[in-house]
Amino acid sequence: ETGVTQSPTHLIKTRGQQVTLRCSSQSGHNTVSWYQQALGQGPQFIFQYYREEENGRGNFPPRFSGLQFPNYSSELNVNALELDDSALYLCASSLDRPGYQETQYFGPGTRLLVL
Amino acid sequence: AQSVTQLGSHVSVSEGALVLLRCNYSSSVPPYLFWYVQYPNQGLQLLLKYTSAATLVKGINGFEAEFKKSETSFHLTKPSAHMSDAAEYFCAVNTGNQFYFGTGTSLTVIP
Repeated sequence: ETGVTQSPTHLIKTRGQQVTLRCSSQSGHNTVSWYQQALGQGPQFIFQYYREEENGRGNFPPRFSGLQFPNYSSELNVNALELDDSALYLCASSLDRPGYQETQYFGPGTRLLVL
Repeated sequence: AQSVTQLGSHVSVSEGALVLLRCNYSSSVPPYLFWYVQYPNQGLQLLLKYTSAATLVKGINGFEAEFKKSETSFHLTKPSAHMSDAAEYFCAVNTGNQFYFGTGTSLTVIP
């Protein structure tokens, strides 16, 4: 059973550019969540997808968008990058429908630096 | 609103000493609470979770946590620290479609 994988591992962009981060869920998981972790902080929820539909969103502007594909892989897109977008972006997948008891399994993250 | 508070952003213990990392939650019933560990340049790894089955939860690597409703706490403990326990620890509450994480506690183990 493969775990959650993310690509790329590191990325450098400049202000105003657009970026796409990718995530492959753990086998059998149909729910994926994205988090932003700034340096020295805890992860902050961006949004969640369940069966290709957005299932909740945190306090992030619309320039943060996502997709989930039929194979349950996912993308996070960020437009008009700002310096404050520099962070570790974590993808997490969970089994079956979202629920209070569900454990989220995290990938290693993509570290984004915006110059 | 759901939230977790981790008291102490940095904790240092000697190798072999007790580890105690504090977490208090603010949550409507039921709270489902988790502890994750993050090693440098890695993602988060689940240590243990509380889902109301038992108040004392045992996790991996010798860690355990006790849910105390009266104190709204879910502190993480380990009887004897090992050098490999040095990492960042996060307490989190699951609201159903998102996790709220605490700000983390960095654990240093002194040889």
